[in-house]
Amino acid sequence: GESVGLHLPTLSVQEGDNSIINCAYSNSASDYFIWYKQESGKGPQFIIDIRSNMDKRQGQRVTVLLNKTVKHLSLQIAATQPGDSAVYFCAELRLPYNDMRFGAGTRLTVKP
Amino acid sequence: DSGVTQTPKHLITATGQRVTLRCSPRSGDLSVYWYQQSLDQGLQFLIQYYNGEERAKGNILERFSAQQFPDLHSELNLSSLELGDSALYFCASSPRTSGSLVFGPGTRLTVL
Repeated sequence: GESVGLHLPTLSVQEGDNSIINCAYSNSASDYFIWYKQESGKGPQFIIDIRSNMDKRQGQRVTVLLNKTVKHLSLQIAATQPGDSAVYFCAELRLPYNDMRFGAGTRLTVKP
Repeated sequence: DSGVTQTPKHLITATGQRVTLRCSPRSGDLSVYWYQQSLDQGLQFLIQYYNGEERAKGNILERFSAQQFPDLHSELNLSSLELGDSALYFCASSPRTSGSLVFGPGTRLTVL
């Protein structure tokens, strides 16, 4: 079946730098794309989503970019902090029954 | 606290045994999802229920079964357990209308 995948399994950044986590998807029929953060031993937490008819959405310190031409999704974290260290998953959501599938995940490590 | 509850938090059992994991969705949410996460792996979708009916099925083994009850709580039954079934099992819920999933804290299953 179609899946959502990630370019890089790990990413290490310096505290204060900006982080960019990438994701490639293959199903153009998805209605939303979503980023989740998972800290060790915890359930995934919603960060931000973007509807498929949008190109960019900003939240607090985070920005999601969607490039439908190349089927690429990215999460930008500004001024990365140690608390941002976690595994980040992208996911695609298909309506009307909120069918959600996840990519493999990227582990972000923030160095002090 | 996400509002999604899962019990038990930890479960240790032996190969060949049968266990039941329980999930209560967030108040008002009609959909319940089950995901399996093995060590340092992604989230594998198992099954989704919507208002008591099975809505979507992922890579769920025949040894596994689930159901959603009239009060909307759900149970995931795992039988003839094998060592490879050791994992974190997450439940998530979502509202009737479009919306991303909210995850519970997970049940950590260890099969010895």
